[in-house]
Amino acid sequence: EPEVTQTPSHQVTQMGQEVILRCVPISNHLYFYWYRQILGQKVEFLVSFYNNEISEKSEIFDDQFSVERPDGSNFTLKIRSTKLEDSAMYFCASSEGSGYNEQFFGPGTRLTVL
Amino acid sequence: AQSVTQLDSQVPVFEEAPVELRCNYSSSVSVYLFWYVQYPNQGLQLLLKYLSGSTLVKGINGFEAEFNKSQTSFHLRKPSVHISDTAEYFCAVGKAAGNKLTFGGGTRVLVKP
Repeated sequence: EPEVTQTPSHQVTQMGQEVILRCVPISNHLYFYWYRQILGQKVEFLVSFYNNEISEKSEIFDDQFSVERPDGSNFTLKIRSTKLEDSAMYFCASSEGSGYNEQFFGPGTRLTVL
Repeated sequence: AQSVTQLDSQVPVFEEAPVELRCNYSSSVSVYLFWYVQYPNQGLQLLLKYLSGSTLVKGINGFEAEFNKSQTSFHLRKPSVHISDTAEYFCAVGKAAGNKLTFGGGTRVLVKP
């Protein structure tokens, strides 16, 4: 069964460093998403991406964040200068379409900023 | 804007007993409703979804949920739980026109033998 994969499973970085979180969505899906979950808090939407551009983003997704689909298979989330409060579990998801279509989630990358 | 409230953060339940997980939402527009499950060290997996039509929705692993528009609720139920149902359960809403899901805080279910 096709699944969304994410690498690495755990990333530790120093405050101020850049990190790139990687995701391989399901191959025939057209919509891609990033969510995050700070420990003990809700899963929060960050951004959705379709047709090589951001289709929706939350207020969390400021200039420190960017997303890219550098090739036909990967979808990345970059944080330019990490802050302590960026420590969270980051989930990638993909779907065939928008709205009512099921979003398939990856296992997550745990980011720890020291 | 949408919001989702899951009233119980933890629900302990004995094996083979029924369980109900409560979810209430608020939205000014039409929404779709979802329940996801997260097993330890795994991603979120869809249990079931309500789009339209019959208000009783059946999902995987014997779960079902009932959409109640007047009470803006979408409670999840299972008549008889197994140890393997130990997980965290998330209720979420999505807009008819849009992409993002808005999640509740999650309910951790611990099934005891």
